Parts: sequence; structure tokens; C-alpha cells
Amino acid sequence: DGGITQSPKYLFRKEGQNVTLSCEQNLNHDAMYWYRQDPGQGLRLIYYSQIVNDFQKGDIAEGYSVSREKKESFPLTVTSAQKNPTAFYLCASSIDVSSMGAFFGQGTRLTVV
Amino acid sequence: SQQGEEDPQALSIQEGENATMNCSYKTSINNLQWYRQNSGRGLVHLILIRSNEREKHSGRLRVTLDTSKKSSSLLITASRAADTASYFCATAGGGFKTIFGAGTRLFVKA
Repeated sequence: DGGITQSPKYLFRKEGQNVTLSCEQNLNHDAMYWYRQDPGQGLRLIYYSQIVNDFQKGDIAEGYSVSREKKESFPLTVTSAQKNPTAFYLCASSIDVSSMGAFFGQGTRLTVV
Repeated sequence: SQQGEEDPQALSIQEGENATMNCSYKTSINNLQWYRQNSGRGLVHLILIRSNEREKHSGRLRVTLDTSKKSSSLLITASRAADTASYFCATAGGGFKTIFGAGTRLFVKA
């Protein structure tokens, strides 16, 4: 089945640790995105990538890093510089950045312990 | 500030009733989309309406767009308990910038 897969579903981070969230898609989409969602809030864009080996900062990129070495994969690293990382993280993909109707993964809930 | 703002923030109705949610935005758009999110899950794309369209239907969903008022509405007819979810509008302007609102939480009572 075609789709977009995020892992893990739940992730716990200790203070000062970096953690990496995985996002894989087999939809052959060029564009991929990472969003952060806080309770009762909408989605805020962290990073997006239009094509392999290219990515751009979104509205809240500080404390996060990404890579796009393969078309299928767009991992997000939450670094220790992100002071309030506890949130629900959503990865999405679309055919390209100008085509709407993104497909979303099921999300990763990150908690700082 | 966020581009799309949904209204109401929360809505509770009986099964079989219609549910109407509104979205207002601030700047010019190329298209507007509505998504559904079940609790703790990812978003599911429901419908896209382009800036030159005024109304669009998909099953029990009806979306309208009024670019002069910078607003859109999502109507769910004959609601079911399974429609219980949060609904978000997302707007896309020139280039790439899709902005999501804070959502309307819909609760349909059986």
C-alpha cells in the first residue's frame, strides 16, 4: 500500500538529548514537510523540502534540523537547542509544493522527561 | 499570526443534524483546503477549492468560498458519530506557504 509512515509513534527525550523522528513515503512525492502541533492548536511548519538534497526553513525551524538524502525519506532531528520540544509532530508529502492535498503520516508524540 | 481561523472553536450536535464550520483568512490565496483529524492521528485531506471556484461538493461535504469576504465554510450534512473529529482549513498563497488554522472540534452525539 502507498503511504507515509512515521516512527516511532511515541518518543521520550531526556533534557539535553537530540532525538530523530523518522518519516518515509512510497508515494513518489517530491515535496515533504514537517509540522508541529501543540494541544488545541493548528499546525506550524518546521521545515519543508521540494526535492532531494534541498530543504527550506519554515516558521519555527529553530532547534530543529532535517536532511533529504533520499526522495523517500525526510528525518527530523529535535536538538537540545529546542527548549520546548514536547509536542505532536506530523510529517506530510505532496506531489510537489504547488500541488495541494498533502498526505499525512500518523504522527509522533514527543515528550521530554 | 495564523492565516486561517476557524469558527466556532468547538461544536456539539446530535447525529443526523448538519454541522457548519467557518474559516476566515487574511491574504490572497490560490486555494483553500479542509482537513479532518481524529484524536491523536494525522490529518486527512477532505476537499480543495480553488480561488476561482465558489462551491464544491464531495459526498456529504459542501464547501463554499467567498474571496471577497476572505471566508470559507464547510458543511457536513446528516452528521454521524464517526464525523467526530477536529476540522482544519488550510490556505495556500503564492509560492509555497500552506497555513493551517487552529481547527474546529466537532462532537456528534449518537
